[in-house]
Amino acid sequence: DIVLTQSPGTLSLSPGDRATLSCRASQTINSNYLAWYQQKPGQAPRLLIYGASSRAAGIPDRFSGSGSGTDFTLTISRLEPEDFAVYYCQQFDTSSPLYIFGQGTKLEIK
Amino acid sequence: EVQLVESGGDMVRPGGSLRLSCAASGFTFSNAWVSWVRQAPGKGLEWVGRVKRETDGGTTDYAAPVKGRFTISRDDSKNTLYLQMNSLKIEDSAVYFCAKNKLYHFDNWGQGTLVTVSS
Repeated sequence: DIVLTQSPGTLSLSPGDRATLSCRASQTINSNYLAWYQQKPGQAPRLLIYGASSRAAGIPDRFSGSGSGTDFTLTISRLEPEDFAVYYCQQFDTSSPLYIFGQGTKLEIK
Repeated sequence: EVQLVESGGDMVRPGGSLRLSCAASGFTFSNAWVSWVRQAPGKGLEWVGRVKRETDGGTTDYAAPVKGRFTISRDDSKNTLYLQMNSLKIEDSAVYFCAKNKLYHFDNWGQGTLVTVSS
């Protein structure tokens, strides 16, 4: 099975800072298959990025995704107070399990 | 507006059974592939299983930890997704989300329903 490893586990930043979150796959994956989600406490995950770099509907342009092969990045250009949450990357595989999530990065206020 | 509303979560003994429901609205449910994703308390997200739309065969796929114990079904006349969970284990305790599949990701999620397996 492909494993997605997110780093860092926790990122402490201040509003206005730039956040860079990493997602590394244990083997090369198709960029079309890589997505990012935001989850706030007590809420459902929300799709941010799909296809590694396409923003989902209604997502502010301060969120951007990049990467290919085994290394993918979610960047938040200027942190707003509402951006402090847990972020998950997810990839699709043609063999079970079909959908794999990284373990998450917690973005907390410094 | 797309809405997914889960229900049926409860506390159950190990070895017991439970059926979860997910009522969908705001989109053509019969055209959608839909999944269940769970999240154990304080942990990350884990895909449970998926059902395709009937025109694509209506087939199901499951993650290894639940295969043979859980069954996903759909009733397109009621716009509802189901998750039948049998032989429940303590490690099945989690919030269960239904999620609408779009290509290779999930574009809409419900708010989840809590399942607790405890003796």
